Amino acid sequence: GEDVEQSLFLSVREGDSSVINCTYTDSSSTYLYWYKQEPGAGLQLLTYIFSNMDMKQDQRLTVLLNKKDKHLSLRIADTQTGDSAIYFCAESHSNYQLIWGAGTKLIIKP
Amino acid sequence: GAGVSQSPSNKVTEKGKDVELRCDPISGHTALYWYRQRLGQGLEFLIYFQGNSAPDKSGLPSDRFSAERTGESVSTLTIQRTQQEDSAVYLCASSQGLAGGHGWEQYFGPGTRLTVT
Repeated sequence: GEDVEQSLFLSVREGDSSVINCTYTDSSSTYLYWYKQEPGAGLQLLTYIFSNMDMKQDQRLTVLLNKKDKHLSLRIADTQTGDSAIYFCAESHSNYQLIWGAGTKLIIKP
Repeated sequence: GAGVSQSPSNKVTEKGKDVELRCDPISGHTALYWYRQRLGQGLEFLIYFQGNSAPDKSGLPSDRFSAERTGESVSTLTIQRTQQEDSAVYLCASSQGLAGGHGWEQYFGPGTRLTVT
């Protein structure tokens, strides 16, 4: 079946860029998403990319999609302490059902 | 406007008891989802409702789990004869349910943390 994989942890220094990576197996994915989960809060959609795009930029966030390698990344520029959270990658192909990665915990070092 | 709300926020129950979890979706959202998130893991799809269509129950792990939704409003997830492995955070999400990516953006509630002792 479909699978989405992410590293469990990423540690970066405050002010550096964070790059969170995700790989997926479903070549028919139509949309790929990045969600953020902060402690005690619900999941929040950060950004999404359609499968016919290879890049999307939104302020400090840059999403890169390599469809050939089925690789998705989220770059956060100038990482701040408020960016500490778990970041989930998800993909969909059936319009409503998302397949989720296990999440990457972003740890910010001062 | 109001987001997705869930109640209770925390529930501790004894093994073998039944529990009922509630989700209030965003008004006007036709699609509603339930997920389970075990500690340190990703989201596990449980069930999906879309309007008055038959729900997609393919993710329910056993017949102890059931969910209902009346029209496009509140949904309840019921777990009968709870087991310790049911301990998890249960997340509800809703979306506009329109074709096309942005219409399927899921808005999540804060979750119900269920602990079975």
